[in-house]
Amino acid sequence: ETGVTQTPRHLVMGMTNKKSLKCEQHLGHNAMYWYKQSAKKPLELMFVYNFKEQTENNSVPSRFSPECPNSSHLFLHLHTLQPEDSALYLCASSQEVRSSGNTIYFGEGSWLTVV
Amino acid sequence: GEDVEQSLFLSVREGDSSVINCTYTDSSSTYLYWYKQEPGAGLQLLTYIFSNMDMKQDQRLTVLLNKKDKHLSLRIADTQTGDSAIYFCAESMDGGGTSYGKLTFGQGTILTVHP
Repeated sequence: ETGVTQTPRHLVMGMTNKKSLKCEQHLGHNAMYWYKQSAKKPLELMFVYNFKEQTENNSVPSRFSPECPNSSHLFLHLHTLQPEDSALYLCASSQEVRSSGNTIYFGEGSWLTVV
Repeated sequence: GEDVEQSLFLSVREGDSSVINCTYTDSSSTYLYWYKQEPGAGLQLLTYIFSNMDMKQDQRLTVLLNKKDKHLSLRIADTQTGDSAIYFCAESMDGGGTSYGKLTFGQGTILTVHP
């Protein structure tokens, strides 16, 4: 039990499909993040939410649409993806959005394959 | 700019010590982290060190920080086959409250432990 739970763990989708990734944290944190881990690049920050408000969008294409209905839940809506979007998508959370003492805890990730 | 570098591979024998190295470029780094990723899993926070510290020890793990050279290392004593994983170094910056908990990761070091 990591405290950050992601579903589904594995997802295969076609380029015309619409799907969503879900993340839930049970740590009482106020900040949540989406990271992307692909085979040939270091981990990349995608989005940051603090108290349900998006505070950072790291130049992510609009085919990725995040949603944060409350501090415990974070979604990543996927639409018209490309094969190069296949990657491990990691959700994370932290107490708050400040770098000092901001220990970030990660979920197990959702493996996405776009065909 | 922000850049975190790690060597890609490390192979050791069971019972030996492993030393994983990391260099970073941003002198304003506040916290430096080590994460472990086992096959098919998300990132597990192993330990972290505040930038005004030189060393931190936690059971089999020893973190050494040379701030002058911007060099961070993780030593695993008595390495076991269960330590085989990818180890990520990451840094976060103190942006005066505006860095939004952003971590910059290295590309990861694959540690293989041979019986």
